[in-house]
Amino acid sequence: KQEVTQIPAALSVPEGENLVLNCSFTDSAIYNLQWFRQDPGKGLTSLLLIQSSQREQTSGRLNASLDKSSGRSTLYIAASQPGDSATYLCAVTGFQKLVFGTGTRLLVSP
Amino acid sequence: DGGITQSPKYLFRKEGQNVTLSCEQNLNHDAMYWYRQDPGQGLRLIYYSQIVNDFQKGDIAEGYSVSREKKESFPLTVTSAQKNPTAFYLCASSAGGPGGTDTQYFGPGTRLTVL
Repeated sequence: KQEVTQIPAALSVPEGENLVLNCSFTDSAIYNLQWFRQDPGKGLTSLLLIQSSQREQTSGRLNASLDKSSGRSTLYIAASQPGDSATYLCAVTGFQKLVFGTGTRLLVSP
Repeated sequence: DGGITQSPKYLFRKEGQNVTLSCEQNLNHDAMYWYRQDPGQGLRLIYYSQIVNDFQKGDIAEGYSVSREKKESFPLTVTSAQKNPTAFYLCASSAGGPGGTDTQYFGPGTRLTVL
């Protein structure tokens, strides 16, 4: 059974810092890995999707990497801003479904 | 605007009542999903549908029912058999099936509270 773990559960940083969020998964047989953002009481917004054959994806200040063999992904956020404050979820797509981690709650203070 | 809508945003239910949560999408996606989110936990899959008139149970289908009579709509009924229904419910859709390579797009969610 696929299990997805995100560390840390919560992170607080001052504005301007670069930061890394971690995601690990137990079964490397995945089709892709996605990173989502969730604001309090809202739905999820897709940030980046990395196909299983890819190593990384970039969008603006965000960079996500994937190491399938070790079952790890990282989300790198450059020059963090208060507007980046949210919960970040990673999810892996295996056969027939998406499996989510429990998320990292990020707070960026001005 | 293309997207996924869920209604209502907040829903209150008395114990023993069935309630239906609405999910509509105009993205022309074939696949639709229902997830449940509890505090401190990841999203858990309730039901999914890859095509009209067909749907599959997810990890926590007990106490829930769905229908997929139209491509655009995937309503979820929370029955009285669901013992702990208070949660945040999220609907999603994707162009391909759940084992594919397409991203899932999420609605804004419905918060259900049992009184």
